[in-house]
Amino acid sequence: AQKVTQAQTEISVVEKEDVTLDCVYETRDTTYYLFWYKQPPSGELVFLIRRNSFDEQNEISGRYSWNFQKSTSSFNFTITASQVVDSAVYFCAQYSSASKIIFGSGTRLSIRP
Amino acid sequence: NAGVMQNPRHLVRRRGQEARLRCSPMKGHSHVYWYRQLPEEGLKFMVYLQKENIIDESGMPKERFSAEFPKEGPSILRIQQVVRGDSAAYFCASSPRTEGIGEQYFGPGTRLTVT
Repeated sequence: AQKVTQAQTEISVVEKEDVTLDCVYETRDTTYYLFWYKQPPSGELVFLIRRNSFDEQNEISGRYSWNFQKSTSSFNFTITASQVVDSAVYFCAQYSSASKIIFGSGTRLSIRP
Repeated sequence: NAGVMQNPRHLVRRRGQEARLRCSPMKGHSHVYWYRQLPEEGLKFMVYLQKENIIDESGMPKERFSAEFPKEGPSILRIQQVVRGDSAAYFCASSPRTEGIGEQYFGPGTRLTVT
């Protein structure tokens, strides 16, 4: 069965601190995709990244970076030098088969000025 | 190229009324997915449709909920005799092809409030 676990329900940090959001996934498939989405207070879903299971290279995009480790079934997301605009709920998700994306329960990130 | 469109963005219904949520996929996309997000939770898959066909409805509640994606027009998620527990955000996503890589584009969602 597929499952995505985001153990951190809420995180609060002061602006400019680095913060890491954890994500652990479960799947029996060898081919799968992992995602991160941002949901700001306005409610829409903002796509951040998709990685496939064959590409374990870490990725950096500006202040965002992602660490994918198959050995620990983790796909963690780090925001460097956080800003107030980063405040949102962040969802980790997984897709492997059956055409559905499985979402974690989300981590609510609050950045205090 | 316009993104996935959903309307209305906000919908208020009294208990017992019907709710109709519409989703227009991106141009050229013939696959539509509906997800529901209950308050303080992640999104949960409800149903996957192709034009005129329901492919997977494993996430749909057995009663009161139905979905369609006609040959012409938007996909419709219909909730009959709404109850307070139906209050949620309903997201639609579309894909250009039979799924293989999770390439689903999400709409802005419809927030349903049942009073």
